[in-house]
Amino acid sequence: NAGVTQTPKFQVLKTGQSMTLQCAQDMNHEYMSWYRQDPGMGLRLIHYSVGAGITDQGEVPNGYNVSRSTTEDFPLRLLSAAPSQTSVYFCASSYDGLHEKLFFGSGTQLSVL
Amino acid sequence: DAKTTQPPSMDCAEGRAANLPCNHSTISGNEYVYWYRQIHSQGPQYIIHGLKNNETNEMASLIITEDRKSSTLILPHATLRDTAVYYCIVKTGANSKLTFGKGITLSVRP
Repeated sequence: NAGVTQTPKFQVLKTGQSMTLQCAQDMNHEYMSWYRQDPGMGLRLIHYSVGAGITDQGEVPNGYNVSRSTTEDFPLRLLSAAPSQTSVYFCASSYDGLHEKLFFGSGTQLSVL
Repeated sequence: DAKTTQPPSMDCAEGRAANLPCNHSTISGNEYVYWYRQIHSQGPQYIIHGLKNNETNEMASLIITEDRKSSTLILPHATLRDTAVYYCIVKTGANSKLTFGKGITLSVRP
């Protein structure tokens, strides 16, 4: 049972490049979400999904897109990377509710130069 | 959601109980106390949560005072792998988001 798997673990981008952070879970959880963690800022919610085909914006959605075509996968797309998007990104899933007993992936450390 | 106050750091000896305090003096009747931890370079990990009764699971025990103004997370036999930042979070029901503050850094020494 792998839980929540994120890839890649590390990524360096140049300003303006696009990329997709992958997130997959094998627990059949309906709720999935993306957070970013910056020093002194705690975890901030970017986008979330309450089920396949349903997504919505969190606190800091600008510059990011998501889709949820299957229960298992919830990729996060950076459309045109900016230095302000340098951060550690965590994907999370939950069975009980969007903010309930979250299972987090191990994170992606992204640097935008 | 009510604010929580935790000391910035504490340490304990390996094999001993680690008692991590949290103050939430403005908690309201429908707010739950959640604990997560984050080991360095990993994602946060859910530990336990409770409303008013004490709770225990395979990881830890949560003791909430009768007036609910404070709580203690107890790791009964701390190991080196328990070294992490521990977050005490107060929130209302399922639609209330988790807000991770600064947490308390627990260092378990050999």
